[in-house]
Amino acid sequence: GENVEQHPSTLSVQEGDSAVIKCTYSDSASNYFPWYKQELGKRPQLIIDIRSNVGEKKDQRIAVTLNKTAKHFSLHITETQPEDSAVYFCAASKGAGGTSYGKLTFGQGTILTVHP
Amino acid sequence: EAGVTQFPSHSVIEKGQTVTLRCDPISGHDNLYWYRRVMGKEIKFLLHFVKESKQDESGMPNNRFLAERTGGTYSTLKVQPAELEDSGVYFCASSQVVTGEQYFGPGTRLTVT
Repeated sequence: GENVEQHPSTLSVQEGDSAVIKCTYSDSASNYFPWYKQELGKRPQLIIDIRSNVGEKKDQRIAVTLNKTAKHFSLHITETQPEDSAVYFCAASKGAGGTSYGKLTFGQGTILTVHP
Repeated sequence: EAGVTQFPSHSVIEKGQTVTLRCDPISGHDNLYWYRRVMGKEIKFLLHFVKESKQDESGMPNNRFLAERTGGTYSTLKVQPAELEDSGVYFCASSQVVTGEQYFGPGTRLTVT
């Protein structure tokens, strides 16, 4: 089955710096890669995702890159703010057009702390 | 549009007792998933419904866990009898068939003592 590895487990940055979280996956059939942000005591929130036919996607201060050959994808947060502090999870899934996407396999999570 | 809702938000039971968790997906979402996060570890898949049918239950830990989705709407997850290692946060998520984007509920924190 799919295995997703996520690094680093903790990341501490100063406000305004950039943060990068990296994930690798094992199943070459995976074609959907979402990122979730979970604040303490709250639900995981989908913040950005990328599909295998795209190499990069950006949404304001966050971006995700995907390297299918190497089977790794990364989350980039620029101009970090204290409210970006949370646990971030990467995940991988697979599905085909017109059929249901299956389960998400999650990475271990990264605790991001942004110091003011 | 209402998000995914779960009930209860927190449950404390003794070992050997039974607990039933409920999930109401976003209206119109045929896919419903159950996940569990134990002791700050990664979120792990339990099972996946498409409408009322179980599409994938490969993550269910053992036969003490029973999930149902009556009429393809809300879902319940019953743990009977509960064991200490069942403690954790149980999340439900739902998605539309084609897009794959899963939206999570707030979770049920289960504590087995």
